[in-house]
Amino acid sequence: EADIYQTPRYLVIGTGKKITLECSQTMGHDKMYWYQQDPGMELHLIHYSYGVNSTEKGDLSSESTVSRIRTEHFPLTLESARPSHTSQYLCASSGTDFNEQFFGPGTRLTVL
Amino acid sequence: KNQVEQSPQSLIILEGKNCTLQCNYTVSPFSNLRWYKQDTGRGPVSLTIMTFSENTKSNGRYTATLDADTKQSSLHITASQLSDSASYICVVSDRGSTLGRLYFGRGTQLTVWP
Repeated sequence: EADIYQTPRYLVIGTGKKITLECSQTMGHDKMYWYQQDPGMELHLIHYSYGVNSTEKGDLSSESTVSRIRTEHFPLTLESARPSHTSQYLCASSGTDFNEQFFGPGTRLTVL
Repeated sequence: KNQVEQSPQSLIILEGKNCTLQCNYTVSPFSNLRWYKQDTGRGPVSLTIMTFSENTKSNGRYTATLDADTKQSSLHITASQLSDSASYICVVSDRGSTLGRLYFGRGTQLTVWP
């Protein structure tokens, strides 16, 4: 079944740790996105990719980095996590209709 | 500035009742408007999509309307169920973007009580 997956779903870590949030999709979509969402607030685009070897920064400045080595995989990395990084991170992808984005279940990150 | 405003911020209704959620936007040039449902701890799921020429679109108990002249949309939920408890997010895309640039509202948090 075509879908978009994120792991882990929940993560609690200490300050200074390096973390990688995984995102994979089986829909063959070229475009992928990372959003950050705080409770009661709108989604903010932090990274996106048009395809393999393409990565761009979004509207919201983020200390995270992304890579796109394979079409189906778009991991997000924080080299040194801080409490200000506590948030929900949502991954999405889109195909030929780039306005229709399919979202993963999200990763809830808490940095102590 | 492209913006999407939703009201009310939160809403509590009894099971079986109807409700209407509002969305006002200033996104230009307009491409389409989607309503998403986001359950707690989950990603948003698309309910309806409306283009410039569409006034009304239904998806089961969900009916969305669009007035492109006043830049307003509404989502009407009929005969609410407990499973309707979620955040409903209005998302507008602009026609000028090749990326798929989306503008998100903050959502209306709907709670349905038995």
